Amino acid sequence: GEDVEQSLFLSVREGDSSVINCTYTDSSSTYLYWYKQEPGAGLQLLTYIFSNMDMKQDQRLTVLLNKKDKHLSLRIADTQTGDSAIYFCAESPQENFNKFYFGSGTKLNVKP
Amino acid sequence: DAGVTQSPTHLIKTRGQQVTLRCSPKSGHDTVSWYQQALGQGPQFIFQYYEEEERQRGNFPDRFSGHQFPNYSSELNVNALLLGDSALYLCASSLPQSNEQYFGPGTRLTVT
Repeated sequence: GEDVEQSLFLSVREGDSSVINCTYTDSSSTYLYWYKQEPGAGLQLLTYIFSNMDMKQDQRLTVLLNKKDKHLSLRIADTQTGDSAIYFCAESPQENFNKFYFGSGTKLNVKP
Repeated sequence: DAGVTQSPTHLIKTRGQQVTLRCSPKSGHDTVSWYQQALGQGPQFIFQYYEEEERQRGNFPDRFSGHQFPNYSSELNVNALLLGDSALYLCASSLPQSNEQYFGPGTRLTVT
């Protein structure tokens, strides 16, 4: 199956920008997602991008995709303490878009 | 608009027992997927149900089975529980032609 890799931890100060990175291996057209999981909760869909796009912006969130390197990033502007959570990168191939492959998650710690 | 709901919230079972977890999809959604999230890991796809049939399956043994009812709600059954089945079990719902999956809060299963 597809491999999705993420760094495990990121620590930033409140007000700074956070950048969470992810790499994937699927070579076909694919959807790429970012989910947020707070302690004891399920996964909240933040945003997603199709692999023919380079960038997507949604309020404080910016997703950048480097197709050549199969590298995806999520930038959170003006990071707040409420952004502290685990962020999961996931992909689903276009031909099988209901089957998601998740990374192990990046734990974001926002210090006041 | 109710989101995805799951029951029970927590469950403790003994090795060798059987367990049934329940999921009600988001209003208007008719496709349900189940994921297993071990501690410190990303969710792993178990299977997906649509029109009361299993449409896709991940790499899980036959001890894991499911069902979807005419009202689109779903059950996940696990037989002959092992200690390694301890995890957070997540249900996600979607429309059949949509790549957006919405997750419930999960059921925390502990096998002792």
